[in-house]
Amino acid sequence: KAGVTQTPRYLIKTRGQQVTLSCSPISGHRSVSWYQQTPGQGLQFLFEYFSETQRNKGNFPGRFSGRQFSNSRSEMNVSTLELGDSALYLCASSGTGGKGNIQYFGAGTRLSVL
Amino acid sequence: SQQGEEDPQALSIQEGENATMNCSYKTSINNLQWYRQNSGRGLVHLILIRSNEREKHSGRLRVTLDTSKKSSSLLITASRAADTASYFCATEQFSGGYNKLIFGAGTRLAVHP
Repeated sequence: KAGVTQTPRYLIKTRGQQVTLSCSPISGHRSVSWYQQTPGQGLQFLFEYFSETQRNKGNFPGRFSGRQFSNSRSEMNVSTLELGDSALYLCASSGTGGKGNIQYFGAGTRLSVL
Repeated sequence: SQQGEEDPQALSIQEGENATMNCSYKTSINNLQWYRQNSGRGLVHLILIRSNEREKHSGRLRVTLDTSKKSSSLLITASRAADTASYFCATEQFSGGYNKLIFGAGTRLAVHP
């Protein structure tokens, strides 16, 4: 079974631009969560999608948005990029995302904002 | 907000030694999980311990959970250079009708040959 796939692996953008990151979950998994990881803030939860609906959201500004398609693939979008958005963005999938579910992570997309 | 706080932030040991990492959290939990992250990569699940369990083993890993102290520890026995990674505890937080995982800041473990 293929693991979680994130594309692209690396991105360089400039301030003010927008970016879209993609995540393909493990086949059969319906829950996809996104995290931002920075040296200063650690792993911060962005949001979780299940069956195309956002179920949970972290404390991030509205510039961060996401969606999930009927095949469970998910995208996250960051508009009006700021220098502080430079981070490793991790996607994780799980079967249902419910209690006791283990999350399977992709390798991440490293975003650099110049 | 971070639920779990790991201690120490960094740990440096020699191969063959044991490594112990601690995690403290603030609210009641359903379960606590430990993950490992190799440099700049995704996280890999190591072990899950439920709130009604006190100790769990998996290979060279031993996890304990003390819900009265709101703390957990991860012990790696007979460490190897390949164990060099960051280790995170994660607690489930019930929010908006669903559970989400909240990760701690992590412990960076360096195992020297």
